[in-house]
Amino acid sequence: SQQGEEDPQALSIQEGENATMNCSYKTSINNLQWYRQNSGRGLVHLILIRSNEREKHSGRLRVTLDTSKKSSSLLITASRAADTASYFCATAPNQAGTALIFGKGTTLSVSS
Amino acid sequence: GAVVSQHPSRVICKSGTSVKIECRSLDFQATTMFWYRQFPKQSLMLMATSNEGSKATYEQGVEKDKFLINHASLTLSTLTVTSAHPEDSSFYICSARNGDRPYEQYFGPGTRLTVT
Repeated sequence: SQQGEEDPQALSIQEGENATMNCSYKTSINNLQWYRQNSGRGLVHLILIRSNEREKHSGRLRVTLDTSKKSSSLLITASRAADTASYFCATAPNQAGTALIFGKGTTLSVSS
Repeated sequence: GAVVSQHPSRVICKSGTSVKIECRSLDFQATTMFWYRQFPKQSLMLMATSNEGSKATYEQGVEKDKFLINHASLTLSTLTVTSAHPEDSSFYICSARNGDRPYEQYFGPGTRLTVT
């Protein structure tokens, strides 16, 4: 069961520009995570933000979480062609031990 | 730490045959393992949850007799696709949960199954 919805579904930008992806979810969560997936490859974990956190940074990544709106955003600054990939948010429900639930994903294309 | 492997990474099989995919946690004990399926250009869909030593719990719409899951040890879970058909062709990804960290999962690299 997917509970995350991301927008946009696809995003095309130029190198150097910022990319913002949004994720909405439906139920209460313990944490929210963002993953990257290059075409035909496995998942790469990017960042985890806990439900009591509002913002987190990691290198060129900035993630925000608004639990009142049940939404999160991922900002990639100064994008590079190598950032071209699909990005998924995944929520960890409050019930310990249950599976991560993935959103539909955003396909990012960065052209040089 | 927290490395999960999958084998094989790619497999091609003929329609009607069965295929087994292994998922191993290499440096921790996985009390729970999850199996996901991903069709091209789509997201990951949870297929089933397996706890060591007990029967797997399947998501709605996933045939338990077709996708056999065994989690016989704390480091190994297997997914067997029985009587595979071309529509079973997909990317299968497992993940494992460390009992010490109940809200975190570690993903394997995935297995690309092609049924001809």
